[in-house]
Amino acid sequence: GAGVSQSPSNKVTEKGKDVELRCDPISGHTALYWYRQSLGQGLEFLIYFQGNSAPDKSGLPSDRFSAERTGGSVSTLTIQRTQQEDSAVYLCASSLALMRGRYEQYFGPGTRLTVT
Amino acid sequence: AQTVTQSQPEMSVQEAETVTLSCTYDTSESDYYLFWYKQPPSRQMILVIRQEAYKQQNATENRFSVNFQKAAKSFSLKISDSQLGDAAMYFCAYRSNFGNEKLTFGTGTRLTIIP
Repeated sequence: GAGVSQSPSNKVTEKGKDVELRCDPISGHTALYWYRQSLGQGLEFLIYFQGNSAPDKSGLPSDRFSAERTGGSVSTLTIQRTQQEDSAVYLCASSLALMRGRYEQYFGPGTRLTVT
Repeated sequence: AQTVTQSQPEMSVQEAETVTLSCTYDTSESDYYLFWYKQPPSRQMILVIRQEAYKQQNATENRFSVNFQKAAKSFSLKISDSQLGDAAMYFCAYRSNFGNEKLTFGTGTRLTIIP
């Protein structure tokens, strides 16, 4: 079946503009994660969705960042008033469920965001 | 909070030789998973191998194996018979079996294969 998909693949935006990044998880996966990978860094956790529960937003770096997940499937990460430090690769991952870590996370190819 | 440290930003190995990538982590938990992910230039994160903390036996997947030292909080990856396709960034990651089960990553090791 299809893997996790993300769009756009690359996005260049001007400082101060808003951007939306999209993630389509694997069908049937109830858990969805957003991570950010800055240049030369590992991935850092941003936000987590599990089914219909309230999202865990503990990793969001500022209130300019928000995300939603509609119908338990597609997710959109929105960055308002983008800054140059927001330039990074944004990766989405999904997994079947939480069960003592039994299920692995499958990653999408990411969106490379460049803020000029 | 958990932390993951990869102290080798870059490594290189001759094709067909063996290379070991290092990873240490810090946690107060006893129930967790450790992972090695590979990230080629395509940016796609690919799971290479996983280790459950409760299992004493080191995980192996074909040419990839780990040396898991729980007391020392060390989790190294050994790649045997290195191939050109192994060239990539390798990330060590930690995941608790509680809470949101997010992955905590190290900063990565760039592996170059010399033909």
